Amino acid sequence: QKEVEQNSGPLSVPEGAIASLNCTYSDRVSQSFFWYRQYSGKSPELIMSIYSNGDKEDGRFTAQLNKASQYVSLLIRDSQPSDSATYLCAVKGFNKFYFGSGTKLNVKP
Amino acid sequence: ETGVTQTPRHLVMGMTNKKSLKCEQHLGHNAMYWYKQSAKKPLELMFVYSLEERVENNSVPSRFSPECPNSSHLFLHLHTLQPEDSALYLCASSQDGQGAEAFFGQGTRLTVV
Repeated sequence: QKEVEQNSGPLSVPEGAIASLNCTYSDRVSQSFFWYRQYSGKSPELIMSIYSNGDKEDGRFTAQLNKASQYVSLLIRDSQPSDSATYLCAVKGFNKFYFGSGTKLNVKP
Repeated sequence: ETGVTQTPRHLVMGMTNKKSLKCEQHLGHNAMYWYKQSAKKPLELMFVYSLEERVENNSVPSRFSPECPNSSHLFLHLHTLQPEDSALYLCASSQDGQGAEAFFGQGTRLTVV
C-alpha cells in the first residue's frame, strides 16, 4: 500500500467550475498535510497546508481534512485555464514526509 | 538571488562520465534535500541534510554521492550512471529536517546516454 494515494487523472473541468482533488494516506499518525502545484516542466510549488480537521480557505482554494477517514482534498473554485497543472498531495508523519504521484488537472476554456 | 537555485538546468552525460549537480538556497533554511522525479512516479526522496549533517539516505545507489559543505549549498556528484537514472533531479530546502513546507529549485533535467 502506498503511503499517499492520488488518482492520476487527468481530471477535466470546464472553466468556472469547481475542481475537486482527493488524496488518501495510510499513516494514522500523520500530522501535517500539504498541496503542491506543479506546472509541466516546472518544480513543485507549495500552495496550501492544513493541520487540523475541517476546512481551510485561501482565495479560490479550500483544503479539507478528515483524519478519521484519512483523506485530504483540495477544492478549486472558479477554475481557470491557468490552474491546469499536476497537484501533489504531501503528508508529514511522525518522522517521514511522503508525496503522492499527483493528479493532473485540465481546465478547459 | 532568492529562493532555491539549481545548476545546470539540463545535463546530458555518458555512462562513464562524472558530473555534479549544484543547489544553493537563499532562504536561511536549515535543511536541504535531493529528490528524483521520474515520469508518472511519486517524488522519490534521495537524501536529507539537516544542519549540514546527512540524516537520511533512502537506499540510493552509491553512484550518487551527496555533499553539503554548508547550510546553503548542496551538491550531488554523479558517476557511472545508468540510462534509467535519467530523470528530473530536484533540490529543496525547508526550515526543519522533516521536509514539510519545502521550497523547490527548478530542477536539473538529466539524460544519461
